[in-house]
Amino acid sequence: GENVEQHPSTLSVQEGDSAVIKCTYSDSASNYFPWYKQELGKRPQLIIDIRSNVGEKKDQRIAVTLNKTAKHFSLHITETQPEDSAVYFCAATRTGFQKLVFGTGTRLLVSP
Amino acid sequence: DAMVIQNPRYQVTQFGKPVTLSCSQTLNHNVMYWYQQKSSQAPKLLFHYYDKDFNNEADTPDNFQSRRPNTSFCFLDIRSPGLGDTAMYLCATDKGLAGHNEQFFGPGTRLTVL
Repeated sequence: GENVEQHPSTLSVQEGDSAVIKCTYSDSASNYFPWYKQELGKRPQLIIDIRSNVGEKKDQRIAVTLNKTAKHFSLHITETQPEDSAVYFCAATRTGFQKLVFGTGTRLLVSP
Repeated sequence: DAMVIQNPRYQVTQFGKPVTLSCSQTLNHNVMYWYQQKSSQAPKLLFHYYDKDFNNEADTPDNFQSRRPNTSFCFLDIRSPGLGDTAMYLCATDKGLAGHNEQFFGPGTRLTVL
């Protein structure tokens, strides 16, 4: 089955800096990779996702890159703000109904 | 607004006292999931329904059961809660169609077992 590893487990940056979180997956058949943001005590919310037919996707300050050959994908947040502080989870699955396999999460702290 | 609703938001129960958590959705999604999330951990899938088809994860304890009486509702029953079952329980849904994998999460029920 699929296995997703996520690094780092914690990440502290200064406001305005960039943050990068990396995930690797094991199942070469996985082709859908979402990223969820979870603030303390709240539900996970999808912030961006990418399918395996593209290498990069961007939405304002957030971007995701995918390297299918190496089986890794990364979340990039530019110009970080204190409200970006949260736990971020990557996940992987195949299209068509398949359950999500989550990474272990990264706690991002953005200091003013 | 279409959404995933969970009740109650907070539940305190005693060791061994059965508890039922509920989830409802107005999205008309085919698939409903139950996750357990402990502090500082990723959500852990307990089981899911594809329509009425129930799918249990191999490592889900027998103590956890689920019911889906109709498309909109799904229940999580914990027959004899232990202290280790203290966690956030998240319900999620998705369309269950090829090319549509986004899962929508409910706000969660925070369960405390004393």
